[in-house]
Amino acid sequence: QQQVKQSPQSLIVQKGGISIINCAYENTAFDYFPWYQQFPGKGPALLIAIRPDVSEKKEGRFTISFNKSAKQFSLHIMDSQPGDSATYFCAASPYGQNFVFGPGTRLSVLP
Amino acid sequence: ETGVTQSPTHLIKTRGQQVTLRCSSQSGHNTVSWYQQALGQGPQFIFQYYREEENGRGNFPPRFSGLQFPNYSSELNVNALELDDSALYLCASSPRGGHEQFFGPGTRLTVL
Repeated sequence: QQQVKQSPQSLIVQKGGISIINCAYENTAFDYFPWYQQFPGKGPALLIAIRPDVSEKKEGRFTISFNKSAKQFSLHIMDSQPGDSATYFCAASPYGQNFVFGPGTRLSVLP
Repeated sequence: ETGVTQSPTHLIKTRGQQVTLRCSSQSGHNTVSWYQQALGQGPQFIFQYYREEENGRGNFPPRFSGLQFPNYSSELNVNALELDDSALYLCASSPRGGHEQFFGPGTRLTVL
């Protein structure tokens, strides 16, 4: 019940394309859903996050879509750039406590 | 504003040894969480400290222990190291009551 599933495991997108990563959870106690970007040898960096009281949040080229009834959420990266090539992790947190992370998606954006 | 810092950057130990990793939280943050990230996997929650007390623990054995100091910095101690303890250890800080967690660069531990 604590697991967060994430797909795809890897993703290759052409420059300018849309990258879409999906996550699903089961624990209804989760109330905070962040996305992190991690470059090799670095710690995860917070990209964008959403609470379950909204269905979508947009910050620049990054958008989270949230479906509370389906217990699913996704990250959309518009106009993907080679600099976006990294590993992306979704996570979920019950009441601001410990994060449960998905297994990650390795994104490669081709020039 | 200084972000989360961790030391050392890299560490090599042998099986059975003990290790201490250190973390300084971001200015104004009083809660520190530790995560273990094995190669190719997502971070796994070890424990969280708030006001120098453990405030939640993941599925890790007692040989993983921690401390938080009055200035909110923190230590992670691992006793009787095993080969499977080889991983990137991440520290994250957050303001109490805030949902965001901000991660440091991590300490890469290799156990031989």
